[in-house]
Amino acid sequence: EPEVTQTPSHQVTQMGQEVILRCVPISNHLYFYWYRQILGQKVEFLVSFYNNEISEKSEIFDDQFSVERPDGSNFTLKIRSTKLEDSAMYFCASSELVQEETQYFGPGTRLLVL
Amino acid sequence: KQEVTQIPAALSVPEGENLVLNCSFTDSAIYNLQWFRQDPGKGLTSLLLIQSSQREQTSGRLNASLDKSSGRSTLYIAASQPGDSATYLCAVQTGANNLFFGTGTRLTVIP
Repeated sequence: EPEVTQTPSHQVTQMGQEVILRCVPISNHLYFYWYRQILGQKVEFLVSFYNNEISEKSEIFDDQFSVERPDGSNFTLKIRSTKLEDSAMYFCASSELVQEETQYFGPGTRLLVL
Repeated sequence: KQEVTQIPAALSVPEGENLVLNCSFTDSAIYNLQWFRQDPGKGLTSLLLIQSSQREQTSGRLNASLDKSSGRSTLYIAASQPGDSATYLCAVQTGANNLFFGTGTRLTVIP
């Protein structure tokens, strides 16, 4: 069964460093998403992406964040200058269409900022 | 802003029992509601999706209901098994692309 994959599974970085989290969505899906979950808190929406551009973003997704689809399979989330409060589990998701469609989640990348 | 609440926060039941998990949301203008399972340190596994026009969905031992007007959904698990132990999350999709998640119910099924 097709699934969303994410790399790396864990990343430790120093405050102020740039990190890139990678995702491979399900191949025939058109909509891609990033969510994050700070330990003990709700899963929160960051951004959605369609047709090579951002279609929606939350207040969390500020200028420090960017997304890109560099090729036909990968979808990346970049954090330019990490802060301590960026430590969280980051989930990538994809869906075939946007509304009334199941979003399929990857296993997540656990980011720890020291 | 949409707020999603799940009650109870944690639940322990003996194996074989039927159980109900509750989810409520503040804005009834939703496109769909999705139930997920999350195992410790792992990703989210989609269990059921209910469109806004539907009242319930069933998959195996799971049955989810939706009452959009009152802002409520329930997830019914029949004949619970130890393998059902996990955190169950509900999420609603509104006019935007994103899902609003609840804080989850941590279920423990005792053998």
